[in-house]
Amino acid sequence: AQKITQTQPGMFVQEKEAVTLDCTYDTSDQSYGLFWYKQPSSGEMIFLIYQGSYDEQNATEGRYSLNFQKARKSANLVISASQLGDSAMYFCAMRRLNTGFQKLVFGTGTRLLVSP
Amino acid sequence: NAGVTQTPKFRVLKTGQSMTLLCAQDMNHEYMYWYRQDPGMGLRLIHYSVGEGTTAKGEVPDGYNVSRLKKQNFLLGLESAAPSQTSVYFCASNDGWGAHTDTQYFGPGTRLTVL
Repeated sequence: AQKITQTQPGMFVQEKEAVTLDCTYDTSDQSYGLFWYKQPSSGEMIFLIYQGSYDEQNATEGRYSLNFQKARKSANLVISASQLGDSAMYFCAMRRLNTGFQKLVFGTGTRLLVSP
Repeated sequence: NAGVTQTPKFRVLKTGQSMTLLCAQDMNHEYMYWYRQDPGMGLRLIHYSVGEGTTAKGEVPDGYNVSRLKKQNFLLGLESAAPSQTSVYFCASNDGWGAHTDTQYFGPGTRLTVL
């Protein structure tokens, strides 16, 4: 079975600083994908970044980067130069690859608050 | 491009009432999903569909039924609502193949309260 653990219920950061949101996962699969989603107060789930288990380089998307440490089974999200609009819930998720059905397993989320 | 839309956005039901939540996507995605989100529990998969005319159970299917008569629509039904079904419901869709298209695109959510 797959499991995602996000141990930080809440995080605080000042505007323009960098912040790391932790995510560890457990799986026996060799081929899997890791995702981060943002959920602002308006409620929608917004895809941020994806990392495949066989990708050798850490994924980056603008101010978002994924610090992927396969041996430690961690996939932390790094947000550089935080903005007030980054205040939201952040969810880490994973799924098997190369299977017909794509079930996403989510963590419980981390609430990020960016202060001026 | 509307993406994934859900109707209604909010609904209040009495115990025992029935209702249907509608999800529509205009991206020609094969796969569609219904999740529920409860405080402190992340998102849990209720039902999913891997193509028109197909449905399957997810993690928490009890008390819900679904139908996918058209590729672009995925309906979630509650036949006899219970207070335990008070939640925020999300629909999602994706292509169903390839690494980058593994990404699921979510609708805005439906907040349901059962009294």
